[in-house]
Amino acid sequence: DGGITQSPKYLFRKEGQNVTLSCEQNLNHDAMYWYRQDPGQGLRLIYYSQIVNDFQKGDIAEGYSVSREKKESFPLTVTSAQKNPTAFYLCASSNLGGASFYQPQHFGDGTRLSIL
Amino acid sequence: AQRVTQPEKLLSVFKGAPVELKCNYSYSGSPELFWYVQYSRQRLQLLLRHISRESIKGFTADLNKGETSFHLKKPFAQEEDSAMYYCALKADRGSTLGRLYFGRGTQLTVWP
Repeated sequence: DGGITQSPKYLFRKEGQNVTLSCEQNLNHDAMYWYRQDPGQGLRLIYYSQIVNDFQKGDIAEGYSVSREKKESFPLTVTSAQKNPTAFYLCASSNLGGASFYQPQHFGDGTRLSIL
Repeated sequence: AQRVTQPEKLLSVFKGAPVELKCNYSYSGSPELFWYVQYSRQRLQLLLRHISRESIKGFTADLNKGETSFHLKKPFAQEEDSAMYYCALKADRGSTLGRLYFGRGTQLTVWP
């Protein structure tokens, strides 16, 4: 069954700790994205990657880091530098360019991160 | 700079009433516009896109380049339409190719 899998569904972190959120896709999509969803603020882009071993900062990258070592995986690390990490995090993927430009992004179920 | 504006944070209508969720955008290129929907306890999913000019679940949206708008409309709202709706613009060029710019979302509630 094709799709995007985010894990874990819920994550708790103590202050000062780094945590890593997993995102895996088996859609063979080139591009992957991480968003943060807060009430009243919609979806804000953290990082995105259009190709393996390359990624770009989004609008709110401070306090976050990513890697793209494999096409199907795009983990997000929330570092201790992120001052307000409690949020709902969404991962997405899509194809790029040509006819696939008009294809939408596919989203995972999300991970809810809370600070203890 | 590219921007997507959804002026209504909350919108309530009664079942059977028409509903219109507003979306305005600013972008210098030729964007692709989408409406995404998130029902309670479900993942964010595509509702419709301007290129396909289709009607999904009774919803339609027409791209008006003159007014830079992409409003979502349904003539008769149903209770199951209650959800969070996001308007999104997809960039068509350069390093931002493919990334989506989302509005802040409109929470639609349809009362029985």
